[in-house]
Amino acid sequence: QLQLQESGPGLVKPSETLSLTCTVSGGSISTNNYYWGWIRQPPGKGLEWIGNIYYSGSTYYSPSLKSRVSISLDTSKNHFSLKLNSVTAADTAVYYCARRLGGSSNCDYWGQGALVTVSS
Amino acid sequence: QSALTQPASVSGSPGQSITISCTGTSSDVGGYNYVSWYQQHPDTAPKLIIYDVSNRPSGVSNRFSGSKSGNTASLTISGLQAEDEADYYCNSYTSSSTWVFGGGTKLAVL
Repeated sequence: QLQLQESGPGLVKPSETLSLTCTVSGGSISTNNYYWGWIRQPPGKGLEWIGNIYYSGSTYYSPSLKSRVSISLDTSKNHFSLKLNSVTAADTAVYYCARRLGGSSNCDYWGQGALVTVSS
Repeated sequence: QSALTQPASVSGSPGQSITISCTGTSSDVGGYNYVSWYQQHPDTAPKLIIYDVSNRPSGVSNRFSGSKSGNTASLTISGLQAEDEADYYCNSYTSSSTWVFGGGTKLAVL
């Protein structure tokens, strides 16, 4: 059974960089035809797509976050990472990692989510 | 890209059917059969209930069904049960090779 687990600091200061890692167990992130992505949800609000990375390394980002976001794969550790720089209080959210099948909207496995608060 | 438009809330009685709409444009919902729906209970991760407009993942009740007409996708829940009370989100692929969510719909089972 595939499992995804987010990890990283729960508190980040304004203007600094938010960094999260999603560790995948029960399967390989190098598996053909899968995308690995990040979605966030501010407290009491809806879901927002942040971006995806293909197993080959190609990346796709939300236009509203593109200038501040980076997603990378580490196949040796079987995890992928999110970096969001120049954060503000508006970036406070629960951050989810998830897997999506290529050529489909099938986003079947999600992590449990990690709350990141931006505050001084 | 703008969020897809969903009603903020819907409600129904046990046993009834309800439908949640998700309206986009020809650049997202209307242009691709890559629409999915997620159910989210409080303080839990979203759960996939419909993908590619009308497909149900293994283990999801057949009371959930999806469809699309033009730029609007719809999720129908039949035989409403108390456990269906949750937030529901649609998600679509876009012509920019990105993905966009709807604003979410809170379902109340009265």
